[in-house]
Amino acid sequence: NAGVMQNPRHLVRRRGQEARLRCSPMKGHSHVYWYRQLPEEGLKFMVYLQKENIIDESGMPKERFSAEFPKEGPSILRIQQVVRGDSAAYFCASSPRTGNGELFFGEGSRLTVL
Amino acid sequence: AQTVTQSQPEMSVQEAETVTLSCTYDTSESDYYLFWYKQPPSRQMILVIRQEAYKQQNATENRFSVNFQKAAKSFSLKISDSQLGDAAMYFCAYRSAPRETSGSRLTFGEGTQLTVNP
Repeated sequence: NAGVMQNPRHLVRRRGQEARLRCSPMKGHSHVYWYRQLPEEGLKFMVYLQKENIIDESGMPKERFSAEFPKEGPSILRIQQVVRGDSAAYFCASSPRTGNGELFFGEGSRLTVL
Repeated sequence: AQTVTQSQPEMSVQEAETVTLSCTYDTSESDYYLFWYKQPPSRQMILVIRQEAYKQQNATENRFSVNFQKAAKSFSLKISDSQLGDAAMYFCAYRSAPRETSGSRLTFGEGTQLTVNP
């Protein structure tokens, strides 16, 4: 499967635990974007990364959330000390460095906080 | 900042009929892209159609077409000969022309839930 791969697809955490969501972009794509979709809402931009660089994190909550895209391996979205309001679907998308800028989305990771 | 508004939370259509989903946006930019994405119950985001702002001709993809009115900042999606498989949430999205700081970042509307009745 050459598409954007996200795992886990479903993650259940208790309040105060940490959640780690992983995203492997499409082959040849060096740009990664994370979006959050709360129930009954549209997708909201969180962060835009290139390899080893955070380009735009204007959509990330100031506390508890962090993201990285290391030189090797997948991009990671990390949520520390989760609260019930963090329950949502988290989507990753990737794009190539050049081109028309179309985003290719993964199937999302659904986080449920008990 | 750009905003995207979808004023129809829900729409329904009879199978084989035509339906139009509305989208308006606000921007001060002259060069940008507009998209319609479909999100079925599986939650996979699927690109339906794309329009470049510099193109006057409306984009079409088989049964899907858009009515792009740049001056009015309107970008509606028309689905012809609706099929049961078209039932999904539809999102309108805006993207600025490529730049280093924003890449291909999309701004989404709140979505329109489309029901197709047999």
